[in-house]
Amino acid sequence: KQEVTQIPAALSVPEGENLVLNCSFTDSAIYNLQWFRQDPGKGLTSLLLIQSSQREQTSGRLNASLDKSSGRSTLYIAASQPGDSATYLCAVRHNTDKLIFGTGTRLQVFP
Amino acid sequence: SAVISQKPSRDICQRGTSLTIQCQVDSQVTMMFWYRQQPGQSLTLIATANQGSEATYESGFVIDKFPISRPNLTFSTLTVSNMSPEDSSIYLCSAEIHQETQYFGPGTRLLVL
Repeated sequence: KQEVTQIPAALSVPEGENLVLNCSFTDSAIYNLQWFRQDPGKGLTSLLLIQSSQREQTSGRLNASLDKSSGRSTLYIAASQPGDSATYLCAVRHNTDKLIFGTGTRLQVFP
Repeated sequence: SAVISQKPSRDICQRGTSLTIQCQVDSQVTMMFWYRQQPGQSLTLIATANQGSEATYESGFVIDKFPISRPNLTFSTLTVSNMSPEDSSIYLCSAEIHQETQYFGPGTRLLVL
């Protein structure tokens, strides 16, 4: 059974810091991995999707890497801003279409 | 990207009643999904809804409790039946649209008294 864990569970940093959020999964036979952000009381916004054959994806200040063999992905946020404050979720997909979500990292960036 | 809307956005219900949540996608999609997010928890998949076939439920979820309809390629409903306080959660629908990316609706916040 696939289990997805995210570390740290919560993070509070001053504005401008570069951040690394970690996601680990127990079954490396994944199809892809997706990172989302969830703002309080809101739905999920897709940030980045990495296919199993890819090593990383970039969008603006965000960079996600994937090491499938070791069951790990990281989300790197450069020059963090207060607007980045949210809960970040990673989710893995096998070939069955459904996503299995991690436990989430609650990020607060203060001015 | 895609626009996914849900109705209602929130509701407060009495135990023993049922609530139907609607999910509308602005484009035709094959796969739609329903998730539950209990307070302080991550998302758990309830079922996968394909147009023209019965929904596929995950372990721990049954059709009698969470009946799902999928009448066309842009719309789905989830009913939470015979509610109890343990059903208080956020219910989210999603659809797989571009390049295997899942997009989510804003969620329905349900409180059962």
